[in-house]
Amino acid sequence: DQQVKQNSPSLSVQEGRISILNCDYTNSMFDYFLWYKKYPAEGPTFLISISSIKDKNEDGRFTVFLNKSAKHLSLHIVPSQPGDSAVYFCAVRRGSNYKLTFGKGTLLTVNP
Amino acid sequence: DADVTQTPRNRITKTGKRIMLECSQTKGHDRMYWYRQDPGLGLRLIYYSFDVKDINKGEISDGYSVSRQAQAKFSLSLESAIPNQTALYFCATSALKGDRSNEQFFGPGTRLTVL
Repeated sequence: DQQVKQNSPSLSVQEGRISILNCDYTNSMFDYFLWYKKYPAEGPTFLISISSIKDKNEDGRFTVFLNKSAKHLSLHIVPSQPGDSAVYFCAVRRGSNYKLTFGKGTLLTVNP
Repeated sequence: DADVTQTPRNRITKTGKRIMLECSQTKGHDRMYWYRQDPGLGLRLIYYSFDVKDINKGEISDGYSVSRQAQAKFSLSLESAIPNQTALYFCATSALKGDRSNEQFFGPGTRLTVL
């Protein structure tokens, strides 16, 4: 049973436009949410996170939104750049044990 | 210099062979993790260790074992490799506490092929 779902395997956007990546989760006990980016032949790298006590966190071009009632997480990238082309994973954490559960990932392609 | 290193980066082996994947870190983190990534399945946790004396199974530990030789080293073994263990394997670390303790830092990965 998937606890974290990224329903779009891929997304293609034009350079300069907004990219919106979505993630749904099933357990309301999850209290911390993260986004990772992965380029081919590299390990995932941390991008941005949000605690369950917040509904928005912004870092430069990247903003994460959390809708707890809908159990929905989204990542907005504005403006999108070709270098943003990568696989994006959302990850969730429950409590203090620091284990992360990852979604399957969404491949973002930003076209020049 | 990379903070989390994995050796080997690529390995091709045969069914039934014993394989060890090694992970070293210079971040000084207490917590270490092993994941595998399969196409379309994301990252799945195999084993994790919160300190040298603490080893825990993840969601897919069958067929794998681990050893935490030191704070900085965490090895993953496949005692008798089988083809469905062909995957990309990642080691990760995280701090025990601090502002970034929620983040995990990943190594570059080991691509393992079992024929």
